[in-house]
Amino acid sequence: ELKVEQNPLFLSMQEGKNYTIYCNYSTTSDRLYWYRQDPGKSLESLFVLLSNGAVKQEGRLMASLDTKARLSTLHITAAVHDLSATYFCAVVSNTGNQFYFGTGTSLTVIP
Amino acid sequence: EAQVTQNPRYLITVTGKKLTVTCSQNMNHEYMSWYRQDPGLGLRQIYYSMNVEVTDKGDVPEGYKVSRKEKRNFPLILESPSPNQTSLYFCASSHHRDKMMNTEAFFGQGTRLTVV
Repeated sequence: ELKVEQNPLFLSMQEGKNYTIYCNYSTTSDRLYWYRQDPGKSLESLFVLLSNGAVKQEGRLMASLDTKARLSTLHITAAVHDLSATYFCAVVSNTGNQFYFGTGTSLTVIP
Repeated sequence: EAQVTQNPRYLITVTGKKLTVTCSQNMNHEYMSWYRQDPGLGLRQIYYSMNVEVTDKGDVPEGYKVSRKEKRNFPLILESPSPNQTSLYFCASSHHRDKMMNTEAFFGQGTRLTVV
């Protein structure tokens, strides 16, 4: 069974600061997703990462994937309050049929 | 507008009373799945379907059933709900990897189920 670990689980950061969320997974996979969830809302897709070394950026968020280390990072640059949310990574099994989610990182950006 | 629609959004029921949560997508996606979200556990996959009449168990299938008679619909059935099935449920859809490797998964708005 594929296991996905995210850390930290909770992150409180000041506006303007940088930080990184980590996502480790236990067996090989060829797809990794990052999602955002606002309180009481559904999940919004942020990034799909397919290959080793893949890097994608959208605004203040940048995601990367190292398939050899089985590690993805979500880097936040110069945080703003609007980024406060819970962020999930999800890994797809090699058969492409099952999704495994991390436990999520609850991010609070303090003015 | 591309969307995944779940109904109902909120449901309170009693132990043992059969219920169905509907899920419908308008994007002609092959792949559909159900998840439950519980505090501290993230999302866990219940069942998934790769196409019409093709369904398979996810991580936590016990106590749930699904069917995929049409491509757009993927209902979740709880034949005899129990309190430990109280949770937030999400349906999602995407293209199958064979059709589009970098497919996004679109999620419904969620169904908050309480079983008393």
